[in-house]
Formats: sequence, structure tokens, C-alpha cells
Amino acid sequence: DAKTTQPPSMDCAEGRAANLPCNHSTISGNEYVYWYRQIHSQGPQYIIHGLKNNETNEMASLIITEDRKSSTLILPHATLRDTAVYYCIVRVVNTGNQFYFGTGTSLTVIP
Amino acid sequence: GEEVAQTPKHLVRGEGQKAKLYCAPIKGHSYVFWYQQVLKNEFKFLISFQNENVFDETGMPKERFSAKCLPNSPCSLEIQATKLEDSAVYFCASSQLGQGNQPQHFGDGTRLSIL
Repeated sequence: DAKTTQPPSMDCAEGRAANLPCNHSTISGNEYVYWYRQIHSQGPQYIIHGLKNNETNEMASLIITEDRKSSTLILPHATLRDTAVYYCIVRVVNTGNQFYFGTGTSLTVIP
Repeated sequence: GEEVAQTPKHLVRGEGQKAKLYCAPIKGHSYVFWYQQVLKNEFKFLISFQNENVFDETGMPKERFSAKCLPNSPCSLEIQATKLEDSAVYFCASSQLGQGNQPQHFGDGTRLSIL
């Protein structure tokens, strides 16, 4: 029960914006959307998270639809080092706060 | 420390042997989480701790798996009588608090290979 669906893979040209979609149609009102990425076999790296409003930090922007059923992670200027598996995660608030990982999107940035 | 430290990086055990993995959370973080990544992209939650107390163990296999977080010691995940299917990368994560708006910070994992 991953709670999120993502496309299995995407390509993006270097220097262009990478837009990674995520569906979380069963999200509850108090559940946060998190994005992490995993490069090779390293540990998942935190990118950004949000509840309702759009968020931006030095790594990325997170756009959450008004009904909260989907979101998009935007990497504004993709570099080769952004090649990784990106996970959209819904954080369950009321049961120990563990993450439910989906299967992620494998993003390949092409020179 | 500033990072979650997991040891060892790699662990090889024969089937039936015991395996013990360690995790030092970020200093000041009260919550520790263990996840298992079996196939390349699939994570499974195992257990979480609030300080030394089990917070949620709904993902822990009923047999053979145990975990502890004792004061002034790294947390540990122990697997008794290992099976081939236990081969996976085990990740530990910590967060400052347990609320939904607190990111979890992950270590680089321990790759367990059961032969």
C-alpha cells in the first residue's frame, strides 16, 4: 500500500527543468507529501516537503494541486548529478510517522 | 554527529547465522526508523523508536528480527537465524521530532548478503 503512483522513468535534457509528477489520490488532510531521491545505492536524500501550499528551497520546487490529490517536483535546471530515483512519499501522521515509499521515478539527465 | 552513521557498510553471513547492524542517529534526534530495501526500488518500514522506546513495530517480522535503542549506544537491528530472503540493504533514519512535518535523515545503509 504505497499510497503514491509515479511514472517508472523519465528523461530530461541537461539545463532544462525536470518536472516529476506524483499521484496521491487517497491522501488525508493531515498527511504531508515528501520528496526524496536515491543516487546509486546511497541512502535516500531529502529534497522537499509540503502539506497544502507550494514550497521552494535551494534544491527544488513542490507544486501541490488544490485538491491535494497530486503534486509535481520541479528541478529548475537539471544537471547530470540529478540523475537518480526520485520518491514521492506520503507521511502517515497517526501511526508512527513512517514513510510509505512508492517505486519511484528513475530520472536520467541527458547531456 | 551531523549524519546518520550506519555500520558496517557490508555484512556477509551464511544462512542460519546471526546478523547485527548498527545505527548512530544524528545528535539531538529523538526518533529512529529502520527500513529494508530488498529490490532496487522497494522500501519496507520495519520499526521506529522514540528515544529508547519502541514507537511503532508494525513492520517488524514476528520472528527472528529484533531491535533496540539504548541510551548512550548506537541503535541496533538484529536478525537471528538469517535466511536468504533477508538479503537486502537496511537503512536507518532519524528525525528530531515525530511530527509529520519533520524530515527523516537517512544513513547510507548496510548491505546484508546471506549466502
